[in-house]
Amino acid sequence: EDQVTQSPEALRLQEGESSSLNCSYTVSGLRGLFWYRQDPGKGPEFLFTLYSAGEEKEKERLKATLTKKESFLHITAPKPEDSATYLCAAAARGANNLFFGTGTRLTVIP
Amino acid sequence: DAGITQSPRYKITETGRQVTLMCHQTWSHSYMFWYRQDLGHGLRLIYYSAAADITDKGEVPDGYVVSRSKTENFPLTLESATRSQTSVYFCASSESYEQYFGPGTRLTVT
Repeated sequence: EDQVTQSPEALRLQEGESSSLNCSYTVSGLRGLFWYRQDPGKGPEFLFTLYSAGEEKEKERLKATLTKKESFLHITAPKPEDSATYLCAAAARGANNLFFGTGTRLTVIP
Repeated sequence: DAGITQSPRYKITETGRQVTLMCHQTWSHSYMFWYRQDLGHGLRLIYYSAAADITDKGEVPDGYVVSRSKTENFPLTLESATRSQTSVYFCASSESYEQYFGPGTRLTVT
């Protein structure tokens, strides 16, 4: 069964304290691994797509990496405005939809 | 403005009533999706469409009906609303792998 699991469920960081969010996936033939940011009361906002193990993508303080079993979203020197829920999703071979994890709620304290 | 819009943003209805949620995109994306987001479940796919007049079931289609007569519109109808359909509904569109989400509709069934 295709499945995406994210950990931790919630993470509190001091401003400037770097950390990583984990996304473990089990899908039949991964076509792509996606990271989204979701602010309260809003729709998910696309961040990154990773297609193959070893690939990395960066955007400001965020860097996403991919292995054959999991993906990490590394947050370097976070700021309060990075507070949000980060969602991971996977697309399986032959499927048009995404399988989403339940997200990690990140809070960055000034 | 270009993008994806949903209406209404908030809706309260009674059990047994028919409700239609609207989704409109201006990108001319081929694919459109409907998800529901519930605490503890993450985003779950209800229905999707690969093109006008082509729709298919997702993970949780029971109690919902969709249509797509025009590429830009993808309405979701709850034929006889139940309390279990209280949720936040997101529409998304895509031309390749990345999906882009609307702002959501918060539906409460009393």
